[in-house]
Amino acid sequence: DAEITQSPRHKITETGRQVTLACHQTWNHNNMFWYRQDLGHGLRLIHYSYGVQDTNKGEVSDGYSVSRSNTEDLPLTLESAASSQTSVYFCASSESQPGELFFGEGSRLTVL
Amino acid sequence: GENVEQHPSTLSVQEGDSAVIKCTYSDSASNYFPWYKQELGKGPQLIIDIRSNVGEKKDQRIAVTLNKTAKHFSLHITETQPEDSAVYFCAAPDYKLSFGAGTTVTVRA
Repeated sequence: DAEITQSPRHKITETGRQVTLACHQTWNHNNMFWYRQDLGHGLRLIHYSYGVQDTNKGEVSDGYSVSRSNTEDLPLTLESAASSQTSVYFCASSESQPGELFFGEGSRLTVL
Repeated sequence: GENVEQHPSTLSVQEGDSAVIKCTYSDSASNYFPWYKQELGKGPQLIIDIRSNVGEKKDQRIAVTLNKTAKHFSLHITETQPEDSAVYFCAAPDYKLSFGAGTTVTVRA
């Protein structure tokens, strides 16, 4: 079955370190998204991509970057992790836009 | 982006009763309105969606109603069961899917 997987599922890092969260989908969807989830804020869009070599900033993009070198992967990089970036991160993909989003299981990141 | 307000933030219902969650949005150009359910430790999953050319859509015990004039849409869950306990999110896209803040639903046995 096609799926979307995130890794790592849990990570603890220190302030100032670079962190990369991986997202891989096997649906061949062109559209991919990264969200962060924090209590009281729901899901907030960080970055998104509509295809290879395409990346766009979302609502809360400061301190994050993404790259899209192939259809399957959209890694999220925190250039210099800050405590404010402690959160649960969700990757999602969709076939159409707007359309159903398929979410990964999430990556819980703690920045100490 | 799209401003989506979701109410209530928490909802406790007796098993068998109905639950209603309401969302309001600001972008009159929106025409796709999904609802997602998130169980503990998992990613959100689409449970029902509606497009602006219809006013109501049902799928077994869940339904979504849309009032484009008033710019609000609601999720209705009838005959609630313990497995309905979860966090529910509405969304109203401005081509990037803005989400509401979520409603934590607890079904009491």
